[in-house]
Amino acid sequence: SAVISQKPSRDICQRGTSLTIQCQVDSQVTMMFWYRQQPGQSLTLIATANQGSEATYESGFVIDKFPISRPNLTFSTLTVSNMSPEDSSIYLCSAGGETYNEQFFGPGTRLTVL
Amino acid sequence: GNSVTQMEGPVTLSEEAFLTINCTYTATGYPSLFWYVQYPGEGLQLLLKATKADDKGSNKGFEATYRKETTSFHLEKGSVQVSDSAVYFCALYSSASKIIFGSGTRLSIRP
Repeated sequence: SAVISQKPSRDICQRGTSLTIQCQVDSQVTMMFWYRQQPGQSLTLIATANQGSEATYESGFVIDKFPISRPNLTFSTLTVSNMSPEDSSIYLCSAGGETYNEQFFGPGTRLTVL
Repeated sequence: GNSVTQMEGPVTLSEEAFLTINCTYTATGYPSLFWYVQYPGEGLQLLLKATKADDKGSNKGFEATYRKETTSFHLEKGSVQVSDSAVYFCALYSSASKIIFGSGTRLSIRP
């Protein structure tokens, strides 16, 4: 299994600003994922981040709004840009396990945009 | 496309009651199936999984059996505890390393 930490755990931000969320894994993993969980909703995949290549975004998510970095096999960041109240969500990162059909999740970052 | 449908909540039970949370899926081939749990204020934890038909996943007293004929993966526990109060997500692993989640079922257990 993998242990995943995220920073910050929560934040309250002003409209129009940007926030970068960090995700750290305690072991090297090829694939990392970023999800959004809107209030009372399920998880929606934002993008898949592989080390050494551009992130792959799901329909409805674009790089300008959610730029992602993946500088090495244990770390990734997600930036939520030009925030609006609609971006208020929990953002979770995950990483693939020994078999890629198993993912381990971080504790999430609870974002509130005023 | 692939999808997961699970029982809507919230579900409220008394301690020691029997729990069933229904989950059905639509997928091509033979996906792996999961139950994840999210305790208040925390991220998701993998509760149990099954990777092929008739497999039974189990953990912490919870069980779920992969039923190919009914495309189901219902979660059960014989005697729930207050500490089981959480949101439970049924999920499947599709192609391209993507996990598809159900909408989640909030479970509350009364002492």
